[in-house]
Amino acid sequence: SQTIHQWPATLVQPVGSPLSLECTVEGTSNPNLYWYRQAAGRGLQLLFYSVGIGQISSEVPQNLSASRPQDRQFILSSKKLLLSDSGFYLCAWRRDYGSPLHFGNGTRLTVT
Amino acid sequence: AQSVTQPDIHITVSEGASLELRCNYSYGATPYLFWYVQSPGQGLQLLLKYFSGDTLVQGIKGFEAEFKRSQSSFNLRKPSVHWSDAAEYFCAVAPTQGGKLIFGQGTELSVKP
Repeated sequence: SQTIHQWPATLVQPVGSPLSLECTVEGTSNPNLYWYRQAAGRGLQLLFYSVGIGQISSEVPQNLSASRPQDRQFILSSKKLLLSDSGFYLCAWRRDYGSPLHFGNGTRLTVT
Repeated sequence: AQSVTQPDIHITVSEGASLELRCNYSYGATPYLFWYVQSPGQGLQLLLKYFSGDTLVQGIKGFEAEFKRSQSSFNLRKPSVHWSDAAEYFCAVAPTQGGKLIFGQGTELSVKP
């Protein structure tokens, strides 16, 4: 069966510090991978998605970037965090566009 | 543009009462339809999905949803709510020809004892 791992679960970082959140999927190959952000009391905002190694599509221009160095690894990064980057970050994967998304347990990021 | 509307931001029901959460979508053709549930501090869990066929779909945890093409709706129902159902619920649609999932803003469900 397929599983998705996302870490860390919580993170407190000062403004201006770098960020790296990692997500890996097991039990499948060539998944479509996604990063979402969920601000308090709001819905899901799609940040990035990837349909293959090295292929990244950005949905919202901002302070973040994503990379997919391996088939089942998806990394969300920032060189300098802003206060507005605080939120709940969710990684997700799906087999193809007709399949449902499967989510990781999320990372709660607080920028202080 | 495609969109998903969940008209109710917050709903409170008594334990044992029935539940219906509304979802309306705007799309030129019948999309794939999903309902997800999110407990506090957790990721989203798939409750059920509709691809084609029978318009009444059964999901996990006793939930069901009915697709009504004429109303562009995909409402989630449960005949008897349990306290453990308190969570946030998201409706999502995806075009059958390919493309991203589009999520509604979510409905927060509270359950009174």
